[in-house]
Amino acid sequence: GDSVTQMEGPVTLSEEAFLTINCTYTATGYPSLFWYVQYPGEGLQLLLKATKADDKGSNKGFEATYRKETTSFHLEKGSVQVSDSAVYFCALNTGNQFYFGTGTSLTVIP
Amino acid sequence: NAGVTQTPKFQVLKTGQSMTLQCAQDMNHEYMSWYRQDPGMGLRLIHYSVGAGITDQGEVPNGYNVSRSTTEDFPLRLLSAAPSQTSVYFCASSLDRGRSNYGYTFGSGTRLTVV
Repeated sequence: GDSVTQMEGPVTLSEEAFLTINCTYTATGYPSLFWYVQYPGEGLQLLLKATKADDKGSNKGFEATYRKETTSFHLEKGSVQVSDSAVYFCALNTGNQFYFGTGTSLTVIP
Repeated sequence: NAGVTQTPKFQVLKTGQSMTLQCAQDMNHEYMSWYRQDPGMGLRLIHYSVGAGITDQGEVPNGYNVSRSTTEDFPLRLLSAAPSQTSVYFCASSLDRGRSNYGYTFGSGTRLTVV
């Protein structure tokens, strides 16, 4: 069935380090892919999305490219800040159902 | 522009009690859903609705009921609370589930503890 697998956490980085959070998916058809972010005590917020192969979603310095050949949608940021500390969820929407990964906790230390 | 509003934010129940978690959205979204979030398990779908008068079960529906009498409201009822229902509950809505490029808008969550 359709599913999303993302890298286990937690991830701890120093400020200004490079971030990669891996996400791979299994889906029939042509899903859209999303990254959501959850700050402590809050709900999930849409960070970025890509709706077709080779699309790049970007927002707040974060980027992810929809790679159909590797069924991946890895999240990257060139220089993380303390304020990026949060839990990040990869998700896919098949048009029939939304599937979420288990989340990756990121802590950025000064 | 409130988005998705959930109440209450926190609740403690005794085993066997019943209660209703409220969810309301003001975006005229057709699709609404309830998720629970547990450590290490991500988000699991409880129930969803594709429009007023239509509801269906998700992955973990047991112990919960829903109804959708209006487009705006989608309450989640716990019939007889159990400690296993201790969790954080999120309501989410979308303009149209059938369009894969639409994302969800989430409420801020209800943290429920059953003792």
